Amino acid sequence: KQEVTQIPAALSVPEGENLVLNCSFTDSAIYNLQWFRQDPGKGLTSLLLIQSSQREQTSGRLNASLDKSSGRSTLYIAASQPGDSATYLCAVQIANTDKLIFGTGTRLQVFP
Amino acid sequence: KAGVTQTPRYLIKTRGQQVTLSCSPISGHRSVSWYQQTPGQGLQFLFEYFSETQRNKGNFPGRFSGRQFSNSRSEMNVSTLELGDSALYLCASSLGGGRTEAFFGQGTRLTVV
Repeated sequence: KQEVTQIPAALSVPEGENLVLNCSFTDSAIYNLQWFRQDPGKGLTSLLLIQSSQREQTSGRLNASLDKSSGRSTLYIAASQPGDSATYLCAVQIANTDKLIFGTGTRLQVFP
Repeated sequence: KAGVTQTPRYLIKTRGQQVTLSCSPISGHRSVSWYQQTPGQGLQFLFEYFSETQRNKGNFPGRFSGRQFSNSRSEMNVSTLELGDSALYLCASSLGGGRTEAFFGQGTRLTVV
């Protein structure tokens, strides 16, 4: 059974810091891994999608890496801003389906 | 390009009633999945539909059901509502067939009183 874990559960940093969010999964038979952000009471916004054959993806100040063999992904946020404050979720897509298994999320607060 | 649309945004229902939630996927997307989000359990998978066929179902009681129409729009129904069904229900749309990016709607906030 696929299990997805995110560490840390919460993080509070001053503006400008570079930070790393971690995601680990137990079964390497995945199609892809996707990172989302969620603002309070809102839906999920897709940030980055990494296919199982890829090692990393970049979008602006965000960089996500994937190591399928070790069951790990990291989301790197450069030069954090207060607007980055949100909950960040990683999800793995199960092979042969469109089903996503989500981690428990990292709640990020960036203060001025 | 319109995103995923979920209606209604908010609902308040009484225990024992039933409710129907709607999801309109992005144009051209054939796969729709539903998730339940609660503070205690996080995001849990409910169902997955592709071209009107349910391909996967999560570990939820039979009171939770869904369907997908020929235009890819999907509905989910919860009968005999319980207090524990209070949650944010999220719908995701994708091209389908695996390996494609999922896009989520804003969700329907269901409160059961």
